[in-house]
Amino acid sequence: DIQLTQSPASLFASVGDRVTIACRASQTISRHLNWYQQKPGKAPRLLIYDASSLQSGVPSRFSGSGSGTDFTLTISSLQPEDFATYYCQLTYSSPFTFGQGTKVE
Amino acid sequence: QITLRESGPTLVKPTQTLTLTCTFSGFSLKSSGEGVAWIRQPPGKALEWVALIYWNDDKSYSPSLRSGLTITKDTSRNQVVLTMPNTDPVDTGTYFCAHVVRDFDYLSGYYPRAFDIWGQGTKVTVSA
Repeated sequence: DIQLTQSPASLFASVGDRVTIACRASQTISRHLNWYQQKPGKAPRLLIYDASSLQSGVPSRFSGSGSGTDFTLTISSLQPEDFATYYCQLTYSSPFTFGQGTKVE
Repeated sequence: QITLRESGPTLVKPTQTLTLTCTFSGFSLKSSGEGVAWIRQPPGKALEWVALIYWNDDKSYSPSLRSGLTITKDTSRNQVVLTMPNTDPVDTGTYFCAHVVRDFDYLSGYYPRAFDIWGQGTKVTVSA
């Protein structure tokens, strides 16, 4: 099975900061990597699919990049509503594993 | 507008079978490319993909979960059912269902593009 490693596990940031979260796959997954945001007690929300495609309705301050094994989620200017946990997920092959999450505090 | 809602017991005893239902609207599992996935999340932990079913009855399961796990669909009722036998306290958590669209690319073939719409989740506790 392909493993995903997210880093960092948590980070402290302030409103207006540029935030970058990394996700590394244990083998190539082409561009089949998605990013989700989850707030406490809520369901996850899809932000980015296929590594860099912005889901409809998601603010443009969110962007994704990467291919192969290394991927990045960037929040260009952190807003108060962006404090949450972020997960990457691979969809290249089953099992469709999620990363361990990055908490933005 | 696509919506999904999970339902099922809040408490089950160890070794019992857990049956969860996802009732959806806004799409049909008779339509090509449509699918529904189950994902779970133990308290305070990360998301874990459980199972996925497509309109054509193609199914996939997490290999890390016990054998006997089944996912089925009832297209007339717009429901997907997850059945987990022989439950254990480690199965405690919130269970989500999500809408999936199957996509294709020439390098990797068919794949689930994303879990784009999620239900609110249902909490399940496995305890004696």
